[in-house]
Amino acid sequence: GESVGLHLPTLSVQEGDNSIINCAYSNSASDYFIWYKQESGKGPQFIIDIRSNMDKRQGQRVTVLLNKTVKHLSLQIAATQPGDSAVYFCAENLSGGYNKLIFGAGTRLAVHP
Amino acid sequence: NAGVTQTPKFQVLKTGQSMTLQCAQDMNHEYMSWYRQDPGMGLRLIHYSVGAGITDQGEVPNGYNVSRSTTEDFPLRLLSAAPSQTSVYFCASSYTEMNTEAFFGQGTRLTVV
Repeated sequence: GESVGLHLPTLSVQEGDNSIINCAYSNSASDYFIWYKQESGKGPQFIIDIRSNMDKRQGQRVTVLLNKTVKHLSLQIAATQPGDSAVYFCAENLSGGYNKLIFGAGTRLAVHP
Repeated sequence: NAGVTQTPKFQVLKTGQSMTLQCAQDMNHEYMSWYRQDPGMGLRLIHYSVGAGITDQGEVPNGYNVSRSTTEDFPLRLLSAAPSQTSVYFCASSYTEMNTEAFFGQGTRLTVV
């Protein structure tokens, strides 16, 4: 399978704890901000998105927060499980129509029993 | 449904050789794209297509060609491989160019020696 970058920042959490993964973005013109999860040997998988006119959106066990003032995006995972271990990428979807995703470098989440 | 299928999974090329990375999707998605993923970096957009017969350049298009003769297939051609093209390549598709949820293939690890 395919592996992701070897020198990513890592967040280590205990199973059952909540996880918060942070991302700073640069483009104020982005329409959407998206979180993807990439497990070892697999392609990225869509988790959740948030439109630029919102500041919070909730999904199943996940919450995304957007702070446009400081250009900061976060992904909160409740009751983290071993299956959540992966690399998490934030991405911006540039405005103007076509789906040009600009990805961040990623954060590795390691969940320990 | 198979989703997005990429072949081959692994490939080693010599500098100067050419090859085609295959990508096929069976979800009737209009939008398809190619990304490369390098260690410590997020995915970078190479080329994209909003429908059959229409392609355009992404962030890092040099050294790559694409075509979209059918809705299902979006091959990526390396014209004359260079060591700088050593990377993991991902193909993605989404229903239209406005959808933020992209479906990714498993990736192709390419090494150019």
